[in-house]
Amino acid sequence: EAGVVQSPRYKIIEKKQPVAFWCNPISGHNTLYWYLQNLGQGPELLIRYENEEAVDDSQLPKDRFSAERLKGVDSTLKIQPAELGDSAVYLCASSITGGTEAFFGQGTRLTVV
Amino acid sequence: GENVEQHPSTLSVQEGDSAVIKCTYSDSASNYFPWYKQELGKRPQLIIDIRSNVGEKKDQRIAVTLNKTAKHFSLHITETQPEDSAVYFCAASEGGGADGLTFGKGTHLIIQP
Repeated sequence: EAGVVQSPRYKIIEKKQPVAFWCNPISGHNTLYWYLQNLGQGPELLIRYENEEAVDDSQLPKDRFSAERLKGVDSTLKIQPAELGDSAVYLCASSITGGTEAFFGQGTRLTVV
Repeated sequence: GENVEQHPSTLSVQEGDSAVIKCTYSDSASNYFPWYKQELGKRPQLIIDIRSNVGEKKDQRIAVTLNKTAKHFSLHITETQPEDSAVYFCAASEGGGADGLTFGKGTHLIIQP
């Protein structure tokens, strides 16, 4: 079984440019998460989806970040415009609804220069 | 909201010795406490978890203990091996599952040969 797939693995952009990350969760997993992981820190939740509905986006900086999960499967996280402080690893994870284990993707390492 | 503190940030032990990583949480409503292992450049993976109605859980060389009164829980690894080298994250959840996880900052475990 394929795990959570994220792309790209690495992205380098100049500040003020837009960037988008894509996530394909494990088949059958209705819950999808986007986490931010700064260097030397634990993952911090940005947004959680149940199917296509964002049920927790309280930590998403909505002035520059947006996310969507059309059709309740794949998801895209966008930053526009990117700032130097956005350099981090963006992790996507999925789980069955009410499940205990979050299955993480490999992450996208973003570097803003 | 929940706050999870994790110590130490770095732990170096001789191969074959035991390692203990400790976490405290702030929200007495938290009832689910997983531990994730993240090897260098790889995704976080669940290695063991414990619910608030259990005081201890073991799985081969790893064990987790929970003290609800003191609001702290610990990961114990016995007979450490080189493949145990990784960053370990504790987490706490009010929801009893993968949703609503608050992670600690991580412990870099180094196994010295």
